[in-house]
Parts: sequence; C-alpha cells; structure tokens
Amino acid sequence: IAGITQAPTSQILAAGRRMTLRCTQDMRHNAMYWYRQDLGLGLRLIHYSNTAGTTGKGEVPDGYSVSRANTDDFPLTLASAVPSQTSVYFCASSGTGGADTQYFGPGTRLTVL
Amino acid sequence: GQNIDQPTEMTATEGAIVQINCTYQTSGFNGLFWYQQHAGEAPTFLSYNVLDGLEEKGRFSSFLSRSKGYSYLLLKELQMKDSASYLCAVMDSNYQLIWGAGTKLIIKP
Repeated sequence: IAGITQAPTSQILAAGRRMTLRCTQDMRHNAMYWYRQDLGLGLRLIHYSNTAGTTGKGEVPDGYSVSRANTDDFPLTLASAVPSQTSVYFCASSGTGGADTQYFGPGTRLTVL
Repeated sequence: GQNIDQPTEMTATEGAIVQINCTYQTSGFNGLFWYQQHAGEAPTFLSYNVLDGLEEKGRFSSFLSRSKGYSYLLLKELQMKDSASYLCAVMDSNYQLIWGAGTKLIIKP
C-alpha cells in the first residue's frame, strides 16, 4: 500500500441499509478526514480525527459516524442510508491537524436508491 | 458565514497563460491551498500560500493578498493535460479547510 486507499470504489445501496466506507493510510499521518463532494458544491467536511482515539464533527456530520481505533484506519459508517447521501466520498490525511497539506484517497462513489 | 468564490468554468488555448482567481471570506486564516482535480479522480496538492506574495513552482504560480482576501493560480505554457478542475481552499481558525466549488479549466488546441 502506498498512500491512502479506499474501499469500495463504488457502491449502489438501498435506502435504509447500513454501509461502512473504509479508508486506510500507510503514511503514519496523525490526522484523517472524510469529505463528500457533490456537483456544484465544494468539498464538505463530514468528520475528522486529529489523532488515534479522537474524532470531531465537521460541517455536515448528520447521518454519519466515524471511529479511529488506530493510526492507519478511519472508517465512515452510514447507519441508515438516505438518497441525499448519494455522493462521492473522499478520505484524506495530513501529518498533523494543523496547517498541513492534506492528501486524498481515490474516492468512493456511493448511490443510495 | 464562510465563503470561497471562484469562476465556474474557464477556457484557454494550448501554450497560453491562464489566471484562475479566488476570493474568500473566512473566520480566521491559516493559509490558502490550491488543488488540481482531474475528472473522476482525487484532488492533488498544487500549492500553499500563507504569506502575501507570489509562490512559483515550475509552470504553476500562486499569489496571495490577505488584506484583499484574494488569491490567484497562474498556469503558464498550457498543456492539454492541464484540463481539470482547480480547487481553492482556505484553512480557517479551527484548522479546517473551507473549499470553493472549483473552476473547470478547458484547454483547446
């Protein structure tokens, strides 16, 4: 693994189902982030983690949860998916939670029907 | 509220120069980032400005004026592979990135 990986690449999901998007980085970065990207809008921060064991809410956290059990992994869970959660989801990481450059994974394209 | 503005779309000719502007209003400022994003791919880092002035990196340069809440990305000697979206993002007082919607740059031969 080099950098950040995300799985799955794409997924079609029925409304009401539970879904976990996976994100793993091998750069030993302390901070990790989840964004969603929708057409015509900028990237919006869902949740973040400045270090293993801590998480925080971003701009659009409702309907999503995260955990950070170790440095490398930062899964994003949709407890009960709704169509408005149809989006492209990007995971990112940075060395620290400060003014460090964020590096992005390849993204997961999620469609909720 | 916090706001980042940049043009939705620009068109330029191969070999020419293009300037993509970004204006911002945010609660606090800890630097401004430019990212490039090709269609269907992840954003990739281009530049970071925290002090006023011009930062040059090969064919790409980025300028910042904090007093005006303004930045631009300058791309020289345009190549077809520069066709992409360019994202402006400001790091606010909480060290969270606030993103513009992106500028889609179309390069014509």
